[in-house]
Amino acid sequence: EAQVTQNPRYLITVTGKKLTVTCSQNMNHEYMSWYRQDPGLGLRQIYYSMNVEVTDKGDVPEGYKVSRKEKRNFPLILESPSPNQTSLYFCASSLYFRADTEAFFGQGTRLTVV
Amino acid sequence: KQEVTQIPAALSVPEGENLVLNCSFTDSAIYNLQWFRQDPGKGLTSLLLIQSSQREQTSGRLNASLDKSSGRSTLYIAASQPGDSATYLCAVSPFSGGYQKVTFGIGTKLQVIP
Repeated sequence: EAQVTQNPRYLITVTGKKLTVTCSQNMNHEYMSWYRQDPGLGLRQIYYSMNVEVTDKGDVPEGYKVSRKEKRNFPLILESPSPNQTSLYFCASSLYFRADTEAFFGQGTRLTVV
Repeated sequence: KQEVTQIPAALSVPEGENLVLNCSFTDSAIYNLQWFRQDPGKGLTSLLLIQSSQREQTSGRLNASLDKSSGRSTLYIAASQPGDSATYLCAVSPFSGGYQKVTFGIGTKLQVIP
């Protein structure tokens, strides 16, 4: 089954404790991205990747890191999480970066930073 | 900067009604517009994609129209069912870019009452 898998689905952590949210897709997609979704603000892009070893900042990259060492994986790293990073996070992938190829989204990771 | 607005923010209708969800965008220089569905605890699912050269797209009971010059799109749902209850988001990609430049609306939360 074609899918984007995120882990964990729910995470509660404390300020400053490094964490990683994993994202994996099984469709051999070139393009992957991370979004955060906040009430009243909608989906905002954090980072994206056009292909292996090619990443770039989205609209809200501060406080986040990513890597793309393999085509299928695109982890999101929070080196020192803060309460303002409490949010619902989504990973997405598509065959190419062009928006006329269908985007597939993971089920989301609800992160709470206390 | 592109801005995408969705009205209404929430909508509650009895089962069987036909309904229209609205999406407006400020910059008409778009590549395409997509409608997504988001279920609680799940990611986004692409419903319909309209290229800038098209006027509408249909899938089953769903019909999406696009009026690029006026910066508007509508999603028409015929004979609504309780299973249609979800949040519907529209997303606009600019003429010059792909998914890395997509702008999402905040969404319309639809409840269909049996």
